[in-house]
Amino acid sequence: AQTVTQSQPEMSVQEAETVTLSCTYDTSESNYYLFWYKQPPSRQMILVIRQEAYKQQNATENRFSVNFQKAAKSFSLKISDSQLGDTAMYFCAFMRGGSEKLVFGKGTKLTVNP
Amino acid sequence: GAVVSQHPSWVICKSGTSVKIECRSLDFQATTMFWYRQFPKQSLMLMATSNEGSKATYEQGVEKDKFLINHASLTLSTLTVTSAHPEDSSFYICSARPDPGRNEQYFGPGTRLTVT
Repeated sequence: AQTVTQSQPEMSVQEAETVTLSCTYDTSESNYYLFWYKQPPSRQMILVIRQEAYKQQNATENRFSVNFQKAAKSFSLKISDSQLGDTAMYFCAFMRGGSEKLVFGKGTKLTVNP
Repeated sequence: GAVVSQHPSWVICKSGTSVKIECRSLDFQATTMFWYRQFPKQSLMLMATSNEGSKATYEQGVEKDKFLINHASLTLSTLTVTSAHPEDSSFYICSARPDPGRNEQYFGPGTRLTVT
């Protein structure tokens, strides 16, 4: 079974600075997808970024980018120019190719301080 | 685009009663919807996968007779918690998959269930 590990239960960053959230996963599959979801205090889950395992290029969405290290099974999220609205729980998630199920990590609570 | 709604956003019910939660995809069709449960300060736990026109597939340890799921149309799935007990109090979240090729799920805002 696949597992997703987020080793940082909580992190904080100053507004406008950069922060990196860690995620590692364990799988024997070669075809899979990785996601970062954000859950702000409203509890609405929001897709931040996705990465296909077959793509070597790291995904980027505006201020959000990932560092995908397939051999190390690592998928970290970098948030640049942090904003107060980035304060949220961040969940790393894994989906095996051909499956519909998401496997979530336990989450990292990020607080952006003014 | 890809908006998912849930109703109600919160509900309080008495022990022993049943409560229904609706999940709708507003601007797309979803052949597959998912139901999750989230305990305070914890991650999401997949309860079941709901496919339009067929029976739901439940995860191990989830009581299918207690958590009834009906996916009657391409835009609506319902979760009914039957004979609710205080331990069923939780945050229930649905998600929908708009395009099987994209492997993305879009989430509803969740429903807070409190059983007294």
